[in-house]
Amino acid sequence: QKEVEQDPGPLSVPEGAIVSLNCTYSNSAFQYFMWYRQYSRKGPELLMYTYSSGNKEDGRFTAQVDKSSKYISLFIRDSQPSDSATYLCAMSDGGDYKLSFGAGTTVTVRA
Amino acid sequence: DTAVSQTPKYLVTQMGNDKSIKCEQNLGHDTMYWYKQDSKKFLKIMFSYNNKELIINETVPNRFSPKSPDKAHLNLHINSLELGDSAVYFCASSLSKTSPHTDTQYFGPGTRLTVL
Repeated sequence: QKEVEQDPGPLSVPEGAIVSLNCTYSNSAFQYFMWYRQYSRKGPELLMYTYSSGNKEDGRFTAQVDKSSKYISLFIRDSQPSDSATYLCAMSDGGDYKLSFGAGTTVTVRA
Repeated sequence: DTAVSQTPKYLVTQMGNDKSIKCEQNLGHDTMYWYKQDSKKFLKIMFSYNNKELIINETVPNRFSPKSPDKAHLNLHINSLELGDSAVYFCASSLSKTSPHTDTQYFGPGTRLTVL
């Protein structure tokens, strides 16, 4: 079993829809949770970062962490074709220097 | 003005060959990383250097050898290439090694390696 599980999709939604992405994890020591966006043929870029449980909002993006369920989510409101990308969750226990990544979910927003 | 650059962008080679991928960052960061992303998009850390010192060395065949001539460069040399080495290799850098979560990792554009 992988340390971080993420449904690879693909996920296709119409423009303006809410995109819901999630990851589950097995390591209860994880405290830091990130979402990266990766456009086709490009490197990942950090989208959002959350510490411990709770919600964080940044524009159209909302990240949620539920440590009791070992479950994190990313919501994209009013999705745009420019949001079409692969979204990777990543997490760390803060004790070493490594990030553990999910497999990524490929999202297509149709105009 | 590229922050993290990699060369080459594409590499096609025969099994058994030796090849190198170069990475340079102009962000003044202390820490650099090599990741491997397989065909299913799964991104896995291979190595990390902080100020030319190896700090992460994951379970990677010893055919892979990183080299950091200075803190702005981290190269990856691969000996005796195998079919299973085909993947996209990403270099990344961050300000320091202290907090991989609060110190954003900046990724290069990737090197697509195909072993025939």
